[in-house]
Amino acid sequence: NAGVTQTPKFQVLKTGQSMTLQCAQDMNHEYMSWYRQDPGMGLRLIHYSVGAGITDQGEVPNGYNVSRSTTEDFPLRLLSAAPSQTSVYFCASSYSTGASSYNEQFFGPGTRLTVL
Amino acid sequence: GESVGLHLPTLSVQEGDNSIINCAYSNSASDYFIWYKQESGKGPQFIIDIRSNMDKRQGQRVTVLLNKTVKHLSLQIAATQPGDSAVYFCAENIIGAAGTALIFGKGTTLSVSS
Repeated sequence: NAGVTQTPKFQVLKTGQSMTLQCAQDMNHEYMSWYRQDPGMGLRLIHYSVGAGITDQGEVPNGYNVSRSTTEDFPLRLLSAAPSQTSVYFCASSYSTGASSYNEQFFGPGTRLTVL
Repeated sequence: GESVGLHLPTLSVQEGDNSIINCAYSNSASDYFIWYKQESGKGPQFIIDIRSNMDKRQGQRVTVLLNKTVKHLSLQIAATQPGDSAVYFCAENIIGAAGTALIFGKGTTLSVSS
């Protein structure tokens, strides 16, 4: 298994540009989520999903859109990039054994995004 | 609101010492707590977790202690090695409308000198 993969690894955007960060997992995990990590900070939850068609906002959702059309993929869209979105973005996935249980989240290697 | 934080941003120890990394949380309804290790340029890596109905859980060279009375969580690393140098985060598992996700604290940077 490839696990959780993210593309691209690095990206530089100009203010106002749009782009999509890709995340895919081949473990048939139901749960997927996106986090951003700013320098010296912990990860902050952007959006998360429990399966195709079901997503919800996390701690810092503004400026980001998501959709989940398949179990495998969970892309993160920046509609109009701003310098404040310069960060490292991590995608994670985990399987489900019930709504009240916790299962280990597997993280991708991250995408380092710079917005000029 | 829900939040998980850490007491110290940095911790420096000698190789072979025991390390203790602390974390405080505010949501008394939290059910699962997890410790992650993050090495430079990589994503977080699971270390150990503990459910709220437990006080202590042990892994290989690591122990997590949970004190629900004071909402405190700690990670103990025995015989710390240079390879343990990394940033350590505690995280709280949340259950929302779209399943489960994590709320992270700010992290403690552990530096191990030989």
